[in-house]
Amino acid sequence: DVKVTQSSRYLVKRTGEKVFLECVQDMDHENMFWYRQDPGLGLRLIYFSYDVKMKEKGDIPEGYSVSREKKERFSLILESASTNQTSMYLCASSLANYGYTFGSGTRLTVV
Amino acid sequence: AQRVTQPEKLLSVFKGAPVELKCNYSYSGSPELFWYVQYSRQRLQLLLRHISRESIKGFTADLNKGETSFHLKKPFAQEEDSAMYYCALSASRQISSGSARQLTFGSGTQLTVLP
Repeated sequence: DVKVTQSSRYLVKRTGEKVFLECVQDMDHENMFWYRQDPGLGLRLIYFSYDVKMKEKGDIPEGYSVSREKKERFSLILESASTNQTSMYLCASSLANYGYTFGSGTRLTVV
Repeated sequence: AQRVTQPEKLLSVFKGAPVELKCNYSYSGSPELFWYVQYSRQRLQLLLRHISRESIKGFTADLNKGETSFHLKKPFAQEEDSAMYYCALSASRQISSGSARQLTFGSGTQLTVLP
């Protein structure tokens, strides 16, 4: 019963490419989040959204943008991928602002 | 600004031994704290939250506001407890339409339970 689905498990992109990471949730949650997970740094918040077409910057938004056209879908966009964006990206959703449900993650490698 | 500190990146204990994973936080408001766990090749999942005061898989955690800590404890570790553990703090954050609470995570502790 997968509830937060990230479209790709592994992704390899070239420097300068535009990259789209997709996340879909089927729990009718209003809140959705994008984190990146790096060893020794934990999870860092990139962007989040509390409603359709709304977005807020997290702690490390530089180099990223997001799109939320429908309640169930939250996309993370790397406008011009760079090697320092090589990371594990985690999507999460929540009904209230705790008790997050996470996706399985997308491991992005930028070469 | 809120902060969560997990001082141990790696922790190894023997099966049957007690285990304590440390978590300290800084936050000026009323804290809500959580522990999340990620087993190998699995997604991150909620282990427990301080407001429910429950014990999950034998783990407990007590919020100590005086010491600003929320350490995770288990009296007898099992091999299946080996995983990455994250402490997280739910704190208010200013957004364009007002404020909202969201999670700030610590850097994580990799627990290995040896046979």
